[in-house]
Amino acid sequence: DAGITQSPRHKVTETGTPVTLRCHQTENHRYMYWYRQDPGHGLRLIHYSYGVKDTDKGEVSDGYSVSRSKTEDFLLTLESATSSQTSVYFCAISEPTGTGGFFGQGTRLTVV
Amino acid sequence: GIQVEQSPPDLILQEGANSTLRCNFSDSVNNLQWFHQNPWGQLINLFYIPSGTKQNGRLSATTVATERYSLLYISSSQTTDSGVYFCAVYMFSGGYNKLIFGAGTRLAVHP
Repeated sequence: DAGITQSPRHKVTETGTPVTLRCHQTENHRYMYWYRQDPGHGLRLIHYSYGVKDTDKGEVSDGYSVSRSKTEDFLLTLESATSSQTSVYFCAISEPTGTGGFFGQGTRLTVV
Repeated sequence: GIQVEQSPPDLILQEGANSTLRCNFSDSVNNLQWFHQNPWGQLINLFYIPSGTKQNGRLSATTVATERYSLLYISSSQTTDSGVYFCAVYMFSGGYNKLIFGAGTRLAVHP
């Protein structure tokens, strides 16, 4: 299995609080991605990173920010959580050629 | 942006049956992958297939990049094949690759 871990695996938080999810990889892959998965929508790209300090927005980036200060870590922050951000969040890694495509186990976030 | 469409959205099979899942994409892509999400939510990489045909046991996949589609074949289905199958494409945008998913095909295999 690819070395990619997400933390926490489960979190319940209150509306309006900041939340940070962490993705850690040991594969030294250049690309890292954050997705959210909701019923009826499949996996939607929130943000992605193509290198240290290099990030870009995906299709559902509003309300989210990311940071990547090291190759191995990609952080997703909800500045002020809302109930619409209740979802399962997945991190993925890949190489620029498209090889890889490995996923973490997901983080189930509930905003109450 | 690029559209990735999967069909059928839902599929119910009896154990032992064969099936074909389809993925259409609207633009040229650098690469394509098939994933299986098991009932526990884990996403498993099945095939990395920009073109041609690959086989892995009872599963095989074919991508015809010039016609912008890929097919996933499941033969002699088993209950453990149940879950959601996703097609994902690597799209080159702004100088970098983005990995974009289809909505998935939900497969239920009954004994």
